[in-house]
Amino acid sequence: QLQLQESGPGLVKPSETLSLTCTVSGGSISSSSYYWGWIRQPPGKGLEWIGSIYYSGSTYYNPSLKSRVTISVDTSKNQFSLKLSSVTAADTAVYYCARLNVATTNFDYWGQGTLVTVSS
Amino acid sequence: QSALTQPASVSGSPGQSITISCTGTSSDVGSYNLVSWYQQHPGKAPKLMIYEVSKRPSGVSNRFSGSKSGNTASLTISGLQAEDEADYYCCSYAGSSFVFGGGTKLTVL
Repeated sequence: QLQLQESGPGLVKPSETLSLTCTVSGGSISSSSYYWGWIRQPPGKGLEWIGSIYYSGSTYYNPSLKSRVTISVDTSKNQFSLKLSSVTAADTAVYYCARLNVATTNFDYWGQGTLVTVSS
Repeated sequence: QSALTQPASVSGSPGQSITISCTGTSSDVGSYNLVSWYQQHPGKAPKLMIYEVSKRPSGVSNRFSGSKSGNTASLTISGLQAEDEADYYCCSYAGSSFVFGGGTKLTVL
């Protein structure tokens, strides 16, 4: 069974860079059938797509976050990562990693999510 | 890229049917039959319930159905059950990007 697990610091200082990694188990991140994505949810609010990456390294980003976001992939470790720079309190959220099915264009497997708080 | 518009809340009694709307634009919902719906219980990750407007993943009850007309997609839940009480989010492909709705809290009375 496919599993995704987010990891990274739960507390980041304002103006610094948020870094998270998603480890995929039970399947290969190098499959041609899937992209891999990051989605976040501020406390008590809705979901926001951050961006997605293919195993080849091809990326798509939310236009509103594009200037601050970098998503990368490490196929040797079956992992993909998120970096969000110049964070503010508005970036406090639960961050989810998810698998994006290319054929059906939906997020069919999700990690459990990790809360990242931006505070000094 | 603005969030899709959903009602903040809907409610219904056990056994009844409810419909949640999701309104976008001609750049997202109106242009692609790639609307999906997610169910989220408190403290849990979202779960895919509907994809490509009206298709159900394996294991999802046939009480859940989806449709679309123009720039508005809809999720209908029939035969409401207590376990359906959750937040529901729509999501649309928007040409190399995705946009989610603001979410709808479903209360089963």
